[in-house]
Amino acid sequence: AQKITQTQPGMFVQEKEAVTLDCTYDTSDQSYGLFWYKQPSSGEMIFLIYQGSYDEQNATEGRYSLNFQKARKSANLVISASQLGDSAMYFCAMREVLGFGNEKLTFGTGTRLTIIP
Amino acid sequence: EPEVTQTPSHQVTQMGQEVILRCVPISNHLYFYWYRQILGQKVEFLVSFYNNEISEKSEIFDDQFSVERPDGSNFTLKIRSTKLEDSAMYFCASKGLAGPSGQFFGPGTRLTVL
Repeated sequence: AQKITQTQPGMFVQEKEAVTLDCTYDTSDQSYGLFWYKQPSSGEMIFLIYQGSYDEQNATEGRYSLNFQKARKSANLVISASQLGDSAMYFCAMREVLGFGNEKLTFGTGTRLTIIP
Repeated sequence: EPEVTQTPSHQVTQMGQEVILRCVPISNHLYFYWYRQILGQKVEFLVSFYNNEISEKSEIFDDQFSVERPDGSNFTLKIRSTKLEDSAMYFCASKGLAGPSGQFFGPGTRLTVL
């Protein structure tokens, strides 16, 4: 079974600073994928970034980058130059392939990030 | 940009009543999902649906739950006889055929069972 662990229930970060949100995972699959989602107080789930297990480069999307360390089974999210609008809950998730393009996601417990002006 | 929509945004029901949560996935997507998030907890997979049948379900998805794609656009989750512990945010998600680009989530329906 797959498992995602997020050990930081909450973080407070000064505006404009970089922040790293931790995520470790456990799986016996050779092929898997890791996602980060943002959940603001309004409740919707916003896809941020994806890293495939065979991707050699760390994924980047604007201010978001994923620090993927396969041997350590970690997939930390780095947000550069944090903004007040980054305050939200952040979930790490792992993709389990079900076959024929189908998949399911296993989520971590999340980290609540608060950006301080 | 195409998006997943869900209705209603908030549903209040009495224990024992049936509820139907509705979703309109992205039009060319082939895989459809329901997830649940109890308040303050993590998001949990309920069921995946492909080619007009359930392809995977979790242990949460018991006989009280059912899913249906009644036409070419809607995807529904029915809870036959709601319990207090069914109170949660329910997310619908959809995914296209190709690539690991992730599932696109709807805004969620908050279900409150009294």
